[in-house]
Amino acid sequence: GAVVSQHPSWVICKSGTSVKIECRSLDFQATTMFWYRQFPKQSLMLMATSNEGSKATYEQGVEKDKFLINHASLTLSTLTVTSAHPEDSSFYICSATPPLRASYNEQFFGPGTRLTVL
Amino acid sequence: DAKTTQPNSMESNEEEPVHLPCNHSTISGTDYIHWYRQLPSQGPEYVIHGLTSNVNNRMASLAIAEDRKSSTLILHRATLRDAAVYYCILSGAAGNKLTFGGGTRVLVKP
Repeated sequence: GAVVSQHPSWVICKSGTSVKIECRSLDFQATTMFWYRQFPKQSLMLMATSNEGSKATYEQGVEKDKFLINHASLTLSTLTVTSAHPEDSSFYICSATPPLRASYNEQFFGPGTRLTVL
Repeated sequence: DAKTTQPNSMESNEEEPVHLPCNHSTISGTDYIHWYRQLPSQGPEYVIHGLTSNVNNRMASLAIAEDRKSSTLILHRATLRDAAVYYCILSGAAGNKLTFGGGTRVLVKP
């Protein structure tokens, strides 16, 4: 089956530093990947759509200069949280759809990255 | 995006069936009905999807109302590992984003 990985699985950083999270599709190519954020006891909230070779599309209310997304290859998208603050502490999850599952938009999710900003 | 409505939580005993309802009265003709579940501290995983007909797979069954305005996910024999939040999501064309609602938290009692 299709596998999406994320690295790191968890990260603790100091306020004001930047953190990069990687999302990889291990056995398929993905022209589009999605980035979600999930606060404790809440549902997933879509942050942005990452498009290979072009700019990401951000959801309303998500600061594109704070959450930098780079989709440089068909198997890798990165999310960089710049100048992180404690309120950015959250569970970040990515997803992608293998070409064979695209007709009905089945998405495969990564295991998530837990970010804690001190 | 068409919206779905689910109960906040449901309880079940182990080895018993669980029926999870979902209302989606504003569904469009091209929307697929997707179910995902999320175990604690993990990313969501696909459970099942359907368009008009009922569907079965190794994880669950999906019963879709004739008017498509509601559906029910059926876990035939709940196990402790089925304890998770189950999300009912409508999705249109390929590449469309998924919009997660609150989902239903399923508790399985031994």
